[in-house]
Amino acid sequence: QKEVEQDPGPLSVPEGAIVSLNCTYSNSAFQYFMWYRQYSRKGPELLMYTYSSGNKEDGRFTAQVDKSSKYISLFIRDSQPSDSATYLCAMSATGNQFYFGTGTSLTVIP
Amino acid sequence: GAVVSQHPSWVICKSGTSVKIECRSLDFQATTMFWYRQFPKQSLMLMATSNEGSKATYEQGVEKDKFLINHASLTLSTLTVTSAHPEDSSFYICSASPPGDPYYEQYFGPGTRLTVT
Repeated sequence: QKEVEQDPGPLSVPEGAIVSLNCTYSNSAFQYFMWYRQYSRKGPELLMYTYSSGNKEDGRFTAQVDKSSKYISLFIRDSQPSDSATYLCAMSATGNQFYFGTGTSLTVIP
Repeated sequence: GAVVSQHPSWVICKSGTSVKIECRSLDFQATTMFWYRQFPKQSLMLMATSNEGSKATYEQGVEKDKFLINHASLTLSTLTVTSAHPEDSSFYICSASPPGDPYYEQYFGPGTRLTVT
């Protein structure tokens, strides 16, 4: 079983839609949860970081962590064409070693 | 924002030769750099963690004699794939973490695509 599971998509939505991206994990020791965005031919960039459980909001982005279900989500409100990218989740137990999902490819259609 | 560059962005080499990939932090000093490998439709896999001035720490299953990592300065780390074989063909990506920052604040380079023929 992989440490982190993420649906690779691709996911295609119309502009303005709410996007939900998800990852599940198996290691109950994970307590650092990150979402990265990766544009084509670029390196990933950190979008959101959450420690332990709960929600975190930053503009149009909301990250949720449900440790009881070992499930994390990233919501994008009022999606824009510029949000078209691959979104990777990553997790860590210690803050040193990270386990990444395979990434979900998102296209927002104008 | 912090910028990390990689060179080359794409390289093709013949089986048995060695290839060096450079990772540079352009506007900050990076005490710690990470090297990842990514196969198509698979997740980023950490290969090694390198700290400036000391030997790299390799993840289990990564051959340290095959993937030589040198972190000689606070802005440069290199990965040398020695005696490359077709199965080494992959996307190699580095990241760098500024001193004092938690590792999740690592900044990624754009990656290097290696093809071994």
